[in-house]
Amino acid sequence: GEDVEQSLFLSVREGDSSVINCTYTDSSSTYLYWYKQEPGAGLQLLTYIFSNMDMKQDQRLTVLLNKKDKHLSLRIADTQTGDSAIYFCAGLYSSASKIIFGSGTRLSIRP
Amino acid sequence: DAGVIQSPRHEVTEMGQEVTLRCKPISGHDYLFWYRQTMMRGLELLIYFNNNVPIDDSGMPEDRFSAKMPNASFSTLKIQPSEPRDSAVYFCASSTSGGNNEQFFGPGTRLTVL
Repeated sequence: GEDVEQSLFLSVREGDSSVINCTYTDSSSTYLYWYKQEPGAGLQLLTYIFSNMDMKQDQRLTVLLNKKDKHLSLRIADTQTGDSAIYFCAGLYSSASKIIFGSGTRLSIRP
Repeated sequence: DAGVIQSPRHEVTEMGQEVTLRCKPISGHDYLFWYRQTMMRGLELLIYFNNNVPIDDSGMPEDRFSAKMPNASFSTLKIQPSEPRDSAVYFCASSTSGGNNEQFFGPGTRLTVL
């Protein structure tokens, strides 16, 4: 079946860049997403990239897509304490109109 | 818009009791999804609807779980009878076809079964 995989934990120093990686299996995914979940809240779309793009930048966020390797990454520049959250990689399973989520990467920030 | 609304926000019940979780999707959205989140299993898709019709319920764990969507503005997820292993946070999300298919999540219902 379709699958999205990502590492479970990442710890970075405040002010450094965070890079969260993800691999997916559905090569037909038209959209790939990064969702953010803060404690006690639901998931919220952080950014997304269309499958015909290699890169998307939005302020401190940079998304890189390598379709050949089915690899997606999220870079957060100048990581702040407010970036502490769980980040979910996800892909649109277009044949079924549903989004497949990864297990989430818990980002913690150390001073 | 108020976003996706879920109730209750917290539910504590005893094993064997019936539990009903409620969701009001964003107006105009034609897809509705029910998810369950636990530390052990992460985020699991339980069932989703399109235009009030269940499309895929393969994620529903057992016959004890059932979901309905009687109209475009309301859905329920029922667990009967509940068991301690059902303890989790249950999320409802809605989306509209077209565009980037972004799913909008509710705040979740934290269910504890004693």
